Amino acid sequence: DTEVTQTPKHLVMGMTNKKSLKCEQHMGHRAMYWYKQKAKKPPELMFVYSYEKLSINESVPSRFSPECPNSSLLNLHLHALQPEDSALYLCASSQAPTGVRGEKLFFGSGTQLSVL
Amino acid sequence: AQTVTQSQPEMSVQEAETVTLSCTYDTSESDYYLFWYKQPPSRQMILVIRQEAYKQQNATENRFSVNFQKAAKSFSLKISDSQLGDAAMYFCAYNRVHGGSQGNLIFGKGTKLSVKP
Repeated sequence: DTEVTQTPKHLVMGMTNKKSLKCEQHMGHRAMYWYKQKAKKPPELMFVYSYEKLSINESVPSRFSPECPNSSLLNLHLHALQPEDSALYLCASSQAPTGVRGEKLFFGSGTQLSVL
Repeated sequence: AQTVTQSQPEMSVQEAETVTLSCTYDTSESDYYLFWYKQPPSRQMILVIRQEAYKQQNATENRFSVNFQKAAKSFSLKISDSQLGDAAMYFCAYNRVHGGSQGNLIFGKGTKLSVKP
């Protein structure tokens, strides 16, 4: 299994809602990532988990709350989002922990989020 | 700060022909990694090819090859025998060796490649 699976594929939520995005990989990878991609823009790194611990937070607003319950699962909890948070949210994983450079990232197909 | 520039917002190629996508970057570091990722309509980012800066030999992966010119800070991607499935957005990316993480890729703005049958 060389896939990173993200659910749901599409999500529409109101600004007062609480929702979660889910990401799974069963490749034994030790690092997992959340990226945000606005339309016609490249992805931007949000969070990095290494060995299930948060290692990087790219100054992301607290309305985004990541969680890594185990080595295969990564969640992104959403609360009180703004319309400008509408974007494609991509999850990725890599075999080595974040201290090793040049590793291949395996990406999921993303969750397209719309905030109304 | 490092920057990555892709000067071709869109490119088009005839099926079975060859196309070259351009990428330049700016850095003061001597050791780093460069990547080309493709993002088809399925939205999944897929690694096409990667190059380690200290390796002078250009990387190749089947129909994909790069022309890495370290002194010129240029990293172009050549796609030979283009196929319909190559149609996608292509992102050039830079990764520092020291500091940050391997996920902290600096991406260019992308080149949208169309393949005509």
